[in-house]
This record gives sequence, structure tokens and C-alpha cells, in this order.
Amino acid sequence: GQQVMQIPQYQHVQEGEDFTTYCNSSTTLSNIQWYKQRPGGHPVFLIQLVKSGEVKKQKRLTFQFGEAKKNSSLHITATQTTDVGTYFCAGPGGPGKLIFGQGTTLQVKP
Amino acid sequence: NAGVMQNPRHLVRRRGQEARLRCSPVKGHSHVYWYRQLPEEGLKFMVYLQKENIIDESGMPKERFSAEFPKEGPSILRIQQVVRGDSAAYFCASSLDWGSPGTGELFFGEGSRLTVL
Repeated sequence: GQQVMQIPQYQHVQEGEDFTTYCNSSTTLSNIQWYKQRPGGHPVFLIQLVKSGEVKKQKRLTFQFGEAKKNSSLHITATQTTDVGTYFCAGPGGPGKLIFGQGTTLQVKP
Repeated sequence: NAGVMQNPRHLVRRRGQEARLRCSPVKGHSHVYWYRQLPEEGLKFMVYLQKENIIDESGMPKERFSAEFPKEGPSILRIQQVVRGDSAAYFCASSLDWGSPGTGELFFGEGSRLTVL
């Protein structure tokens, strides 16, 4: 079946360092979504990418959708302690069905 | 505006009992989803419902689990004869539409954390 893989599983950075998580799908995606889940919290929608090669920015966060629409990345510039959490990518696996990656958990040392 | 409301937030059951989890979607949202999350793991799709219809239940175990979204009232995820392996966080989400940019994003509730003793 369709799989969505994320690497790395964990990342520890010093506050101020950059962070990147990568997402790869076994199949071509019509779109990809990113969510953030704080420790003990629930997933919160960040962004949706639709077009091949699309790049979107939200303040210090940069999201990319690969040309082949099978991979995506999230890059955070100059991390802050508020960035702590698990970042998930998710792609459609059928109507109403989002397939989530296993997530990348970011820890930021102040 | 109220978001997705789930209750109970925490539920403890003994093996063999029933667990009933409730979810009220964002007002105006007709698409409801249930996901299960084990500790340190991602979210696993269970079921997709619209009012009075189960659209896709391919992620739900065939036995003991059932879900509904009645015309009136919240969506219910029911787990009969719970076992220890059912211990997890169960998240409900809703959306205005499915798959459309700007309307297809999922709004998640805070989850119901089930512990089976």
C-alpha cells in the first residue's frame, strides 16, 4: 500500500540553528499537507502544497513540494524553543484518507 | 467558534469493557475522520464519515470497532471488549470539504486517551 516516510525521526538542535525534515511518498501525490503536534497536544494544520516545485514560506518556515510530487521538505530557520514538537507530512491515500508520515520530533535546547 | 470537541479526554477501561468516544465537528463541517496514535508513532487513519454515511472504514479493525455519524448529534467511535492493545490516543478531525485547497485541511480535536487495564 501507499507509504509516506519521514526522516529523521528525531532531531535535537541548539536554539538558533536550522532544522529540516524530509518527506517521501511511494506514489505521486496530488497534494501534501504539513501538521505540527506539540507534546501532549493535537495535530495542527500548517500548510498544503499542490503544485509541482511549489515553495511556500510562513515566517521562518519554508515548505517545498518536489518536482515529481513525491517528496517534500520543511525547513525552519533559526529555531526557537516554541518550535518544539513533532512535524508530520501527510498525503492523500484516497477520498477522505490522509496517510501520515511517522513524524520528525524536534527538540530545541535553549 | 468552537473547534472539534472530543470527550472524554481520558478514559480508563478494564479488558472486556466497552469504550465509547464522542466527537462534535467544527460547526458547518460535514466530513469527520478518526485517527489512532500510539505513543511515539504517527497517526493511523481509521475511518471517514459524512452525515449518516461511512465513506471509508478501511483503517478500522473488522471486529470490535464501529463508528457512526448520525443525522443529529456527535460522531461516535465504539470499541467493544477492549484489549490492552487498544490503549492509544484517538483523534477525531473534521473538514469543510475533502481535498480542496483552502477547504480540505483537517481540524483535529484534542483527542481521547484510552487506557485499558
